[in-house]
Amino acid sequence: DVKVTQSSRYLVKRTGEKVFLECVQDMDHENMFWYRQDPGLGLRLIYFSYDVKMKEKGDIPEGYSVSREKKERFSLILESASTNQTSMYLCASSQRVQPQHFGDGTRLSIL
Amino acid sequence: QKEVEQDPGPLSVPEGAIVSLNCTYSNSAFQYFMWYRQYSRKGPELLMYTYSSGNKEDGRFTAQVDKSSKYISLFIRDSQPSDSATYLCANGGDTGRRALTFGSGTRLQVQP
Repeated sequence: DVKVTQSSRYLVKRTGEKVFLECVQDMDHENMFWYRQDPGLGLRLIYFSYDVKMKEKGDIPEGYSVSREKKERFSLILESASTNQTSMYLCASSQRVQPQHFGDGTRLSIL
Repeated sequence: QKEVEQDPGPLSVPEGAIVSLNCTYSNSAFQYFMWYRQYSRKGPELLMYTYSSGNKEDGRFTAQVDKSSKYISLFIRDSQPSDSATYLCANGGDTGRRALTFGSGTRLQVQP
């Protein structure tokens, strides 16, 4: 079974902090994704990566950056956290056009 | 208009009922279609995956795709309280976009 592991289930940070969310997958998938999930808005794509050091903006990249130095690891960075970034963050991976597999999410609160 | 529309519910049914969950989509470039199930405080897990129009069955679950009307459905037979979750439809295969496009999810409650 594919395993996507997100480093933290719950995280509380302060406004203005730089926040790192980490994601690791164990199936050598080429694609990795970061989404945020908010009530009534569903899953919205922030960034995705289709190869090491490659990234593309999703639908809502503002205020975020990403890093993919190794194939199995994809990091989401909140450069200067703001309260409107309080959300559930979901990481996913997939091989080519195969379905995405998700981690259990990080519930991030910015105070 | 959202690319993928889904009634948010909640949908409440008695145990044993047949459940019908639906999505409509606007992008005719979508080539493959998925249903995910998401329990509270967990990530989405893949339930069904299909490329083509028609039906695909897996145990109590049947996915139905009608590309001509841009309509996809998930049927759950003999529903159980453990089926209580949010169900997300997701579409993909638009060659200009590697990621999936998700509906906002329908919350299902199966009453014992």
